[in-house]
Amino acid sequence: AQSVAQPEDQVNVAEGNPLTVKCTYSVSGNPYLFWYVQYPNRGLQFLLKYITGDNLVKGSYGFEAEFNKSQTSFHLKKPSALVSDSALYFCAVRDRNNAGNMLTFGGGTRLMVKP
Amino acid sequence: GAVVSQHPSRVICKSGTSVKIECRSLDFQATTMFWYRQFPKKSLMLMATSNEGSKATYEQGVEKDKFLINHASLTLSTLTVTSAHPEDSSFYICSASQDRGQPQHFGDGTRLSIL
Repeated sequence: AQSVAQPEDQVNVAEGNPLTVKCTYSVSGNPYLFWYVQYPNRGLQFLLKYITGDNLVKGSYGFEAEFNKSQTSFHLKKPSALVSDSALYFCAVRDRNNAGNMLTFGGGTRLMVKP
Repeated sequence: GAVVSQHPSRVICKSGTSVKIECRSLDFQATTMFWYRQFPKKSLMLMATSNEGSKATYEQGVEKDKFLINHASLTLSTLTVTSAHPEDSSFYICSASQDRGQPQHFGDGTRLSIL
């Protein structure tokens, strides 16, 4: 079984400040990890993924995430938030041993960046 | 690259009508397509996984006779909501994946409103 937890329903940050959106996961094997962003009335846009290699993954729009195996975490970060980053963010995981390509999503975290 | 087109973006129709939603991968062949349902301020709920040329695999609690899925080619999957009722009103999102380890790419969703 695979699961994802995003402990914060909402994160508020001032423009220009660093932001962190938290994600922890649970899989029986090794994970593939993803972050997606959703704007109102739109589908999900892919931000970044961890498959293997460096624990620090860089993605679109200046976002990055750090894979921490011991803490089973994959927190999303950005050094300097923009108002336009305000959106709904989803963390997702897939067990590498999973024969299909089914993702399990976290509950989502709404990021509010205030000017 | 990796564009998924979902059509229509919005449907408003009377109770009892059947509604077809199309999901197309425009620049890649999708061995697997996924259909999700999203309730307001909620995460994505996987409804079914569809593989080209075979029957869809439905998640527990999803009525396969209510939500008909056809994956006739490597670039097209359709979801038909049969005899729709107001409780079927929701935001439906499809995604497509090329292979394991690759991110799912999402359509922009279809907002279905049943009067």
